[in-house]
Order: sequence, then structure tokens, then C-alpha cells
Amino acid sequence: AQSVTQLGSHVSVSEGALVLLRCNYSSSVPPYLFWYVQYPNQGLQLLLKYTSAATLVKGINGFEAEFKKSETSFHLTKPSAHMSDAAEYFCAVSALEGGSEKLVFGKGTKLTVNP
Amino acid sequence: EPEVTQTPSHQVTQMGQEVILRCVPISNHLYFYWYRQILGQKVEFLVSFYNNEISEKSEIFDDQFSVERPDGSNFTLKIRSTKLEDSAMYFCASMAQGAGHEKLFFGSGTQLSVL
Repeated sequence: AQSVTQLGSHVSVSEGALVLLRCNYSSSVPPYLFWYVQYPNQGLQLLLKYTSAATLVKGINGFEAEFKKSETSFHLTKPSAHMSDAAEYFCAVSALEGGSEKLVFGKGTKLTVNP
Repeated sequence: EPEVTQTPSHQVTQMGQEVILRCVPISNHLYFYWYRQILGQKVEFLVSFYNNEISEKSEIFDDQFSVERPDGSNFTLKIRSTKLEDSAMYFCASMAQGAGHEKLFFGSGTQLSVL
């Protein structure tokens, strides 16, 4: 079975500061890992994914995440926060790609960006 | 860009009433999903649907829930007799044949409030 834990339900940063959103996973098989973003009144949008290729994954809007097997982590970072990054971010894991395999989500981290 | 459309965006109902949440997946997609998010909790998998039948369902998806693809374009989630604890944001998602989860598209959700 798979699970993810997101540390910190709320993170607040200043505009221009580093964004670090933490995600740890548990999986009995090699995982596929995802970060989704949800802007207010919108659906879940894929930011980036890891599927056992490069451990450093680059996504949209300047975000990236690094898969660290030894730490069972997949933290999301962005060097310089922008006001438009304010949203809720979800880490998710699945065991298989494609087909009907479900995603297991974390509780989410709400990012606030202060001017 | 193609999108998954969900209606209504908000639904208020009385406990014990039946509700139908509607989704129009992307037209050439073959895999369909419902997820839900109770306020402050994780996004949870409910059910996946492929080839006109349920392919996987969670423990949450009990006999009160049903899904249907009535006309080849809509994908509906029915709750027969709503309970207070069914209050949540319900997300529909769809995916093309042979695609990975990076090709999973989510709708913007229906906020269900059971009074």
C-alpha cells in the first residue's frame, strides 16, 4: 500500500523567497510520485511527476522536486516565490502508471505568499 | 486545451435526499475517476470506471454510491441517500487509453453540502 505525508498544512513565504513544501512517501513497490496544484475555484493541475527516470524533476512555473529514496522524500521547491504561486499543493503517489491505478494524495499544503 | 467539466459547482441538499453529480470528461478519454476531499482532509479516491464498468472502488464507495456513463459523454456520480458526512468537494477526472497519470485531467469540482 502507498501513502504520503505532507509536513505542514500551511506554509507562508515572502515574495522572492525560497519555497519548500515537504512530502514523504511510503510504498512497498517503486513509486510514481506527483505534485498537483489547486488554485482557488479550480481543479487539480499536475505540476510535475517522478517515474523512476531522473531523480530531479522539473515542472511548470519554475517548480522542481527531487526524489530521495534514502529519505523516502519528494520535496517540492521553487527558488523564488511569486504572488501567483499562492495555492494549495498536493503530493500524490501511485504504484503503476496508466490503467486504473488510483492516486493516493497527501492532505495538502496551503502556500501563502506575502508581498 | 481540453478540459473536464463538472456541474453544478455547488450543490446543497437535505440529508436523505438523492444527488447526482455530473461530469463531462474529455471526449477521447476512456478512464474515468471520482475523488473527493472533505474539508481539511486528504483528497480520497472513490472509484475508477473503464469499459462501462467499475474497475476499482474504495471502502468509501458503498452501496449508497453509484456511477454511470448514461450517454457516452456524461459520467455521473449518484448518492442515493445523502448523509452529513458526504459533504465534500467531489472531483471528476479522466485519462486517455495508454496514458500515464501525467495525462490525468481533473475537473474543478462540485462542492456538496448536506444539511
